[in-house]
Amino acid sequence: RKEVEQDPGPFNVPEGATVAFNCTYSNSASQSFFWYRQDCRKEPKLLMSVYSSGNEDGRFTAQLNRASQYISLLIRDSKLSDSATYLCVPNSGSARQLTFGSGTQLTVLP
Amino acid sequence: NAGVTQTPKFRVLKTGQSMTLLCAQDMNHEYMYWYRQDPGMGLRLIHYSVGEGTTAKGEVPDGYNVSRLKKQNFLLGLESAAPSQTSVYFCASSSFLGAEETQYFGPGTRLLVL
Repeated sequence: RKEVEQDPGPFNVPEGATVAFNCTYSNSASQSFFWYRQDCRKEPKLLMSVYSSGNEDGRFTAQLNRASQYISLLIRDSKLSDSATYLCVPNSGSARQLTFGSGTQLTVLP
Repeated sequence: NAGVTQTPKFRVLKTGQSMTLLCAQDMNHEYMYWYRQDPGMGLRLIHYSVGEGTTAKGEVPDGYNVSRLKKQNFLLGLESAAPSQTSVYFCASSSFLGAEETQYFGPGTRLLVL
């Protein structure tokens, strides 16, 4: 089993839609989780951090299920500017164990 | 405050040539990292450093060397480039890697090895 698994997509959704991505991880020692967004040909940038059961920031909600070892990202009222690849990153606190998922591609259509 | 910068932005090499990628950060971060990103794959850690004068191997270190002579700089070297090293290279830094710390990335270096 891969350390981090994400549905690569692409997810094509109309503007205003709600979309959710899932990410499963295999390292039960993961203490916290990050969602990064990466625009085409750009560097990853932090979107959200999750330390307990979840986190909410405006239109974005992350939920963590430690028992099933998955984390989800929900985007409400999608904007064209949300089009990007979303990377799931479990963090065990070790420099060698910050494992990046291959990402889920989202395209928001007008 | 420039954050994390990388030099060069783009480079074409012939097989067997050598080059050095430079990463610089102005946030006084202790930890620095070099990743490579290939199509359809996540970022893979090449080497990292937990402080000035220290380096350690990551997931895919073969064919690369690194040095951290100054806290703000982390150099990635390719002694004899191979086509398999064609990739996008990202440098990152963090103040530490506890459960609540995140990494800040540079804009990337696109390397093509012919």
